[in-house]
Amino acid sequence: DTGVSQDPRHKITKRGQNVTFRCDPISEHNRLYWYRQTLGQGPEFLTYFQNEAQLEKSRLLSDRFSAERPKGSFSTLEIQRTEQGDSAMYLCASSSPDRAGGYTFGSGTRLTVV
Amino acid sequence: GESVGLHLPTLSVQEGDNSIINCAYSNSASDYFIWYKQESGKGPQFIIDIRSNMDKRQGQRVTVLLNKTVKHLSLQIAATQPGDSAVYFCAETPQAGTALIFGKGTTLSVSS
Repeated sequence: DTGVSQDPRHKITKRGQNVTFRCDPISEHNRLYWYRQTLGQGPEFLTYFQNEAQLEKSRLLSDRFSAERPKGSFSTLEIQRTEQGDSAMYLCASSSPDRAGGYTFGSGTRLTVV
Repeated sequence: GESVGLHLPTLSVQEGDNSIINCAYSNSASDYFIWYKQESGKGPQFIIDIRSNMDKRQGQRVTVLLNKTVKHLSLQIAATQPGDSAVYFCAETPQAGTALIFGKGTTLSVSS
């Protein structure tokens, strides 16, 4: 069990550029979640997958955001036409049905839009 | 919308003291409650969880109490250590495996 891995750890991009983040969950976990966290706040839910199916999306997830989990393993989160307000920590978590509530988080990707 | 919140943004204690971090929630339909610890530059780390059919659960040096009558959750840390210094979040979910709703967090500072 190597934990939840996120790549890159840090990303600096210019406003208007597209960025893509990757998350590798714990291998036996079938659920994968994306959260966004700004300084001083708790994580905010964005979306989650069960296997390859995207089951829920938050209203926070604007049309510029898209997430995929094509083979039910790793997931990508893409932000198109980035804005300064997108600057945040993007966290990924995974869980398995037999460990209710025990979501394991990765260390996150810190996005800075300049 | 409904959300989970914490009563105090900061808590300062001496090493060896017991710490109590409180949380109020508003969704009476929530079934699972989880406490997370987050250190600077890291993702939230699971501490302990509790289901709505329980009112107390103990772990190693930690105890979670759930009072459904007043919609209150607390985390007790015994013999607090400097390594416990972090931001603590409570989170709730109406159904296991679905979206967690986090509060704003309490920053615990432990001095030697």
